[in-house]
Amino acid sequence: GEDVEQSLFLSVREGDSSVINCTYTDSSSTYLYWYKQEPGAGLQLLTYIFSNMDMKQDQRLTVLLNKKDKHLSLRIADTQTGDSAIYFCAEKGYNTDKLIFGTGTRLQVFP
Amino acid sequence: DGGITQSPKYLFRKEGQNVTLSCEQNLNHDAMYWYRQDPGQGLRLIYYSQIVNDFQKGDIAEGYSVSREKKESFPLTVTSAQKNPTAFYLCASSIVSGGLDTGELFFGEGSRLTVL
Repeated sequence: GEDVEQSLFLSVREGDSSVINCTYTDSSSTYLYWYKQEPGAGLQLLTYIFSNMDMKQDQRLTVLLNKKDKHLSLRIADTQTGDSAIYFCAEKGYNTDKLIFGTGTRLQVFP
Repeated sequence: DGGITQSPKYLFRKEGQNVTLSCEQNLNHDAMYWYRQDPGQGLRLIYYSQIVNDFQKGDIAEGYSVSREKKESFPLTVTSAQKNPTAFYLCASSIVSGGLDTGELFFGEGSRLTVL
């Protein structure tokens, strides 16, 4: 079946940029997503990118998509302690409403 | 405000007991989903339903059952056959578009089940 992979942990200093990476296997992916999960809570959509785009920027967030390498990244500029959370990458294939999620990357921001 | 409500937030169960987790949405979404979250394993799909009175097994359906009698409600029963039920359970909903929409999932706040 299709698979989405992420590294489990990332630790950054407050004020630095964070880059969270994701790789996926589904060559028919139409949309790719980044979700954020705070402790003990559900997931909230941060941003998404359509598969025919290379980049999407939304305030402090920049999403880069390399479709050839099936690689997605999320850059958070000027990372704050409130950004500490688990970040999930997800993808949706063609002609389906089901999303495949990665394992999640736990971002820890220290002062 | 529109959203998804899961209850209870915390639940303790003795081994051998069935337990039902509630999920209600007022977003008028057709599709609803149940995911299980374990540390380091991400989200795994248990069951999903795209229309009332119909549902499909996800990747880890064994030991679980669902019903979809109303559009707004998609309860999950964790049966005694589920060998390792202690986990965080997340309910979600979305518009059904056959892949033509952005496909955003809206999540509830989750229910943490602990088996004693």
